[in-house]
Amino acid sequence: GAGVSQSPRYKVAKRGQDVALRCDPISGHVSLFWYQQALGQGPEFLTYFQNEAQLDKSGLPSDRFFAERPEGSVSTLKIQRTQQEDSAVYLCASSRGRGVTDTQYFGPGTRLTVL
Amino acid sequence: KQEVTQIPAALSVPEGENLVLNCSFTDSAIYNLQWFRQDPGKGLTSLLLIQSSQREQTSGRLNASLDKSSGRSTLYIAASQPGDSATYLCAVGGSQGNLIFGKGTKLSVKP
Repeated sequence: GAGVSQSPRYKVAKRGQDVALRCDPISGHVSLFWYQQALGQGPEFLTYFQNEAQLDKSGLPSDRFFAERPEGSVSTLKIQRTQQEDSAVYLCASSRGRGVTDTQYFGPGTRLTVL
Repeated sequence: KQEVTQIPAALSVPEGENLVLNCSFTDSAIYNLQWFRQDPGKGLTSLLLIQSSQREQTSGRLNASLDKSSGRSTLYIAASQPGDSATYLCAVGGSQGNLIFGKGTKLSVKP
């Protein structure tokens, strides 16, 4: 497909479990972003990659959150020891260039529910 | 810290009306501003991107303006249709390309 894809679309985890969320950006896109969207809120920035380099992780809420993009394409957001406050939709976006002036294209998101 | 506010939070209009959605931001040092639409259970669809040097962008029935000095943007939708019903999000671009979003305006267009 031509767009950004994310998997799984829905994830239910018990509190304390680890989860891994996958993002497949548009082929050839240099920049990749992760955002967290709580119910009724706008998305909030988590982290940013330029190719395989993680240039900004200032939005990650705790050290339980970890993201990687080892080959500069697919990215994984991992959450360890999930808590109820981690319940949200996790959105991935990619852009063609460095991202400062480019349009960001979003995936459908992964809805995480922590019980 | 940059803050983005969208007014109103919700809006209901009859089909055919022209309408304006408002977005304000506290720090005028932005790289760009994007308007998105979000349908329930879906991701975000980019509608318009305005670079910091531009004043407006148009696409079909949509027109977005940007006034950096006053920290404001508006999204004008002409001749609204029921298919326009969605949440509209405004986002400003930071120095790393990350977007800072408002909470959105939920639009309902009644047939």
